Amino acid sequence: DAGVIQSPRHEVTEMGQEVTLRCKPISGHDYLFWYRQTMMRGLELLIYFNNNVPIDDSGMPEDRFSAKMPNASFSTLKIQPSEPRDSAVYFCASSDRQTSYEQYFGPGTRLTVT
Amino acid sequence: RKEVEQDPGPFNVPEGATVAFNCTYSNSASQSFFWYRQDCRKEPKLLMSVYSSGNEDGRFTAQLNRASQYISLLIRDSKLSDSATYLCVVNSLGSSGDKLTFGTGTRLAVRP
Repeated sequence: DAGVIQSPRHEVTEMGQEVTLRCKPISGHDYLFWYRQTMMRGLELLIYFNNNVPIDDSGMPEDRFSAKMPNASFSTLKIQPSEPRDSAVYFCASSDRQTSYEQYFGPGTRLTVT
Repeated sequence: RKEVEQDPGPFNVPEGATVAFNCTYSNSASQSFFWYRQDCRKEPKLLMSVYSSGNEDGRFTAQLNRASQYISLLIRDSKLSDSATYLCVVNSLGSSGDKLTFGTGTRLAVRP
């Protein structure tokens, strides 16, 4: 398996623009997580899905952030409009809770909003 | 108080040294515990789970003290390749289900 796939790997955009981050989880995994990592705040859980259904979005910073999982093999995290304080590395992770709690992370998307 | 707290370091140690990292967690109902490793500009990866009885994996030993809500990771005979950030991770059951909470990490630098 290729592991968790994220795109793009790097994104530079101007304040006010819409940003869409994409994730393909490991095939067969039933949980998908979106995290944001910054130097100041570390790794923060934004939202997670179980069988494509959002379970907990309490970590989503505000209404500018939205996430969808239309099917078991694809999820998006959208920021509209983007702001400089959204600059961070965004990780997607997936897990197979039938076997363990281990989460497998994608390589991340490094977002810079100028 | 943060849910998971770690000393950010950095810990600078020579090759061959023994180094220990500590972590405390605030939710007494936490059920599972892990150490993840994150290399510079890479994604976190599971290093080892932490069991109540303590567990060892080669040069790495993890301990859990539920009464004190404290987790530790001991690395013996440090290698240059051990240089990374070590994340303490706690799984807790909340109203929306269970989820992992990550500490901010302890940075380790092993020098020749």
